[in-house]
Amino acid sequence: EAGVAQSPRYKIIEKRQSVAFWCNPISGHATLYWYQQILGQGPKLLIQFQNNGVVDDSQLPKDRFSAERLKGVDSTLKIQPAKLEDSAVYLCASSLDRTGNTIYFGEGSWLTVV
Amino acid sequence: AQKVTQAQTEISVVEKEDVTLDCVYETRDTTYYLFWYKQPPSGELVFLIRRNSFDEQNEISGRYSWNFQKSTSSFNFTITASQVVDSAVYFCALSEPGRGADGLTFGKGTHLIIQP
Repeated sequence: EAGVAQSPRYKIIEKRQSVAFWCNPISGHATLYWYQQILGQGPKLLIQFQNNGVVDDSQLPKDRFSAERLKGVDSTLKIQPAKLEDSAVYLCASSLDRTGNTIYFGEGSWLTVV
Repeated sequence: AQKVTQAQTEISVVEKEDVTLDCVYETRDTTYYLFWYKQPPSGELVFLIRRNSFDEQNEISGRYSWNFQKSTSSFNFTITASQVVDSAVYFCALSEPGRGADGLTFGKGTHLIIQP
């Protein structure tokens, strides 16, 4: 069974530029998450989707971050404009549904903002 | 207040020693889930175990074992006869699906170093 796929794996941009990350969850998984992991810290939830609807975006910095999952499968996370403090690994994860099932993570997209 | 506390920032042991990673959590929900993940240098979070709040049975999987104690709000992880390949950062995490969203709250992680 294929795991959670993410791209790109690595991205370096200058501050104030924009960047987009793509995620394809495990087939059949209705719930999709985006996490931000800053070096030396645990991952922090940014947004959770159930199919194509948002169920939790309380920690998403909405002035610069946006995410969508239009057809309830793939998702895109965008940062515009990027700040130095956005340098982190962006992890996508998925689970069958939002009732405490096991959450599986992708390899992450490493962002460096210079 | 932190919902998940991993007080050990870094642990270093010699191969074949046993090692226990501590995890203390905080929640007001009666239904919740606890997880452990391993993060090797490659960066991917590897699922190790999921435990629901109604199941306090300890679990053993090969050299890994977990001790869940609701009375002390702890979910500790023990590696027996450690190996160099166990070197990684280990995260404990809490899920509280009662509010309709079950995103994980992670601890800060424990960096485990197994020396040959």
